[in-house]
Amino acid sequence: GNSVTQMEGPVTLSEEAFLTINCTYTATGYPSLFWYVQYPGEGLQLLLKATKADDKGSNKGFEATYRKETTSFHLEKGSVQVSDSAVYFCALNAGNNRKLIWGLGTSLAVNP
Amino acid sequence: KAGVTQTPRYLIKTRGQQVTLSCSPISGHRSVSWYQQTPGQGLQFLFEYFSETQRNKGNFPGRFSGRQFSNSRSEMNVSTLELGDSALYLCASSTIGQGSTYEQYFGPGTRLTVT
Repeated sequence: GNSVTQMEGPVTLSEEAFLTINCTYTATGYPSLFWYVQYPGEGLQLLLKATKADDKGSNKGFEATYRKETTSFHLEKGSVQVSDSAVYFCALNAGNNRKLIWGLGTSLAVNP
Repeated sequence: KAGVTQTPRYLIKTRGQQVTLSCSPISGHRSVSWYQQTPGQGLQFLFEYFSETQRNKGNFPGRFSGRQFSNSRSEMNVSTLELGDSALYLCASSTIGQGSTYEQYFGPGTRLTVT
C-alpha cells in the first residue's frame, strides 16, 4: 500500500543553519507530494507541493524536489530562523481522491 | 477569504457519551475531509464528503460517522466515546473537479479529551 516515511526527530538547529528533513514514499502510480507545517497549538498549513516528477515546490525559503527515481521529497532550507520551529509533515495523495497519506512528522526546534 | 473553521475548539467528555464536531469549509470548497491526530498514531484519515455523500473512508469503527450539508458544512459524530478517542480532530477542505491538485486546507482542529 501507499506510505510515507520521514526522518525521526526532534531536530535541533541553531539559527541560520541548513535544514534537511528526509521524506521517502511508496506509492502506485504518480502521487502528488506535499509538505505541511504545524506550529504549536495550531492546525496544519500547506507549505509546498509538487505534482509530478522533477517538480520543485518552494515557499518561505523552503524547497523540495519530487524525485521519482529515489521516491523522495526531502525538505530543505538554507538558513532557518527561530520562527521555523514547528512540526513538519510529509504527505502524499495517490489516486483520484483527496485522501492524504501522512508521515509521522518531524519536530524542528531552532535556537537563537 | 475566510479559512476553515471548526467548533468547538476544545471539548471534554466522559466515556460512553457521544460528541458532535462541526466544520465550515473555505467558501467554494465542496470537499471536506476529517482526520484524527494523536501522538501515537499520527494523522489518520477518517472520511471525506462532497455533494453531501461520503466518498472515502478510513479504517475507523462505525462509532465514527459524519455528514455534510447542502452548504458544504460538515459534522462528525463519535458515539460511545472511549479513552482512546482523545485526540485532535482536524477538518480540511478542498476544491474538486478537473484541474484540482487535491491540496487541502486545514482548520485549527477540535481538541477532544475523554475522561
